[in-house]
Amino acid sequence: EPEVTQTPSHQVTQMGQEVILRCVPISNHLYFYWYRQILGQKVEFLVSFYNNEISEKSEIFDDQFSVERPDGSNFTLKIRSTKLEDSAMYFCASSVAALTEAFFGQGTRLTVV
Amino acid sequence: KQEVTQIPAALSVPEGENLVLNCSFTDSAIYNLQWFRQDPGKGLTSLLLIQSSQREQTSGRLNASLDKSSGRSTLYIAASQPGDSATYLCAVRTGANNLFFGTGTRLTVIP
Repeated sequence: EPEVTQTPSHQVTQMGQEVILRCVPISNHLYFYWYRQILGQKVEFLVSFYNNEISEKSEIFDDQFSVERPDGSNFTLKIRSTKLEDSAMYFCASSVAALTEAFFGQGTRLTVV
Repeated sequence: KQEVTQIPAALSVPEGENLVLNCSFTDSAIYNLQWFRQDPGKGLTSLLLIQSSQREQTSGRLNASLDKSSGRSTLYIAASQPGDSATYLCAVRTGANNLFFGTGTRLTVIP
């Protein structure tokens, strides 16, 4: 069964460093998303991406965040200068169309020290 | 702003029991609602998607209901098994095409 894959599963980085989280969405899906879950808190929406541009973003998704689809299969989330409060599980998701079922990856646990 | 609440926060039941998980949301202007399962330290597995025009959706031992006007959904699990132990999340989808999640119900099924 097709699935969303994320790499790495766990990343530790020093505060102020840049990180790139990678995702391979399901191949025939057109909409891509990033969500995050701080330990013990709700899953929160960060950004949605369609047709090579951001379609929606939350107030969390400020200038330190960026997304890119560098080729036909990968979807990346870049955090330019990480802060301690960026420590969270980051989930990538994809859906075949707008407003349809979203399928999530296994997540990348980001730890900023 | 949409707020999603799940009650109870945790639930323990003996194996074989039927159970109901509750989800409520403050803004009834939703497109659909999705139920997920999350195992500790793992990703989200989609269980059911129920459209705003639907009242029920079934998949195996799972049945989700939706009462959009009152802002409520329930997930019914029949004949629970230890393998059902996980955190169950509901999420509502608004016109902005993003999901608003609840805090989840942590289910433990005791053998």
